Amino acid sequence: KAGVTQTPRYLIKTRGQQVTLSCSPISGHRSVSWYQQTPGQGLQFLFEYFSETQRNKGNFPGRFSGRQFSNSRSEMNVSTLELGDSALYLCASSLVRGGTDTQYFGPGTRLTVL
Amino acid sequence: SQQGEEDPQALSIQEGENATMNCSYKTSINNLQWYRQNSGRGLVHLILIRSNEREKHSGRLRVTLDTSKKSSSLLITASRAADTASYFCATGRLTFGEGTQLTVNP
Repeated sequence: KAGVTQTPRYLIKTRGQQVTLSCSPISGHRSVSWYQQTPGQGLQFLFEYFSETQRNKGNFPGRFSGRQFSNSRSEMNVSTLELGDSALYLCASSLVRGGTDTQYFGPGTRLTVL
Repeated sequence: SQQGEEDPQALSIQEGENATMNCSYKTSINNLQWYRQNSGRGLVHLILIRSNEREKHSGRLRVTLDTSKKSSSLLITASRAADTASYFCATGRLTFGEGTQLTVNP
């Protein structure tokens, strides 16, 4: 079974631009969660989608948004990029929602904002 | 929100030694999971321990859970250079800490 895939793997943007990241979960997994990882802040939860609906949201500004499609693939969008948005963005899929089971992580998208 | 916090932040040992990492959390849990991350890559799931379990083994890994103290520990026995990574505990979606950076010197 193929693992979680994320595209693109690396991205360089400038301040003020917007970016869309993509995540394809493991086949059969309906929950997709997104995380931001920066040095000093660790892993911070962005949001979770299950059955095309956002089920849970972390403490991030409205510039961070996402969606999930009927095939469970998910996209994350960051508008009006700031230097502080430079980070590794990880997505994880799981069978069920809510953190009661194992999450399987993708390799991440490394975003650099100049 | 539930928060996993790992301790120590960094640990350096020699190959063959055992490594112990600790995790504390704040609220009641259904389960606790440990993950490993190699140098800026995705996280790999290591082991899940349920709230009604006290100890669990998987290969060279041993995890304990003390719900009365809201803490867990991960023991890696007979460590190898390939175990060099960051280790995170998690008790749900919102719950990863900054991890313990383990360095195993050959």
